Amino acid sequence: DAGITQSPRYKITETGRQVTLMCHQTWSHSYMFWYRQDLGHGLRLIYYSAAADITDKGEVPDGYVVSRSKTENFPLTLESATRSQTSVYFCASSVGGIVGGEQYFGPGTRLTVT
Amino acid sequence: GENVEQHPSTLSVQEGDSAVIKCTYSDSASNYFPWYKQELGKRPQLIIDIRSNVGEKKDQRIAVTLNKTAKHFSLHITETQPEDSAVYFCAAALFGNEKLTFGTGTRLTIIP
Repeated sequence: DAGITQSPRYKITETGRQVTLMCHQTWSHSYMFWYRQDLGHGLRLIYYSAAADITDKGEVPDGYVVSRSKTENFPLTLESATRSQTSVYFCASSVGGIVGGEQYFGPGTRLTVT
Repeated sequence: GENVEQHPSTLSVQEGDSAVIKCTYSDSASNYFPWYKQELGKRPQLIIDIRSNVGEKKDQRIAVTLNKTAKHFSLHITETQPEDSAVYFCAAALFGNEKLTFGTGTRLTIIP
């Protein structure tokens, strides 16, 4: 599990600020995903990427921006943070998407927007 | 889009008894159904999955059953142990569409 890491693990920011959450994996997995986890909603997909320079929207993409210039990194940026984006964010990766099987999750980033 | 409902939201069982968690899905085209376990403060981890061409799958004390006609699938844990205490999430997806839709989770507590 040390193959996928997230930073920072905890972040407090103010409304309106830009914040970037980092995700790094060492397995050279093609697919990477960003989820948010909120009580009562389970895990919801924000964005995913099938390969470097290929990204697509998930269920709740509004207010978020992603990029993937390198296979191993998949940063998530909140361009202007809002209180509703207070959540736990999980990054995940997999060899080949759903067909490729298991998604491996990172340890999560707890973000609080004040 | 897909909608996954999960019941119950909390479940307490005596150690050694069985636990059953049920999920229903809305999109009849969905064909992949994983279950994730999340211990307190930890990351979700896949414990078992099933594809729509299979009706049941077992892995030691854990089994998953799928009823495509009724569009529901269930997680069965037998001979429960304290380490089974966690939140369990079901999910559904369609091969070729990389979007896992998760249920809202079941908090399972094993009473010693």
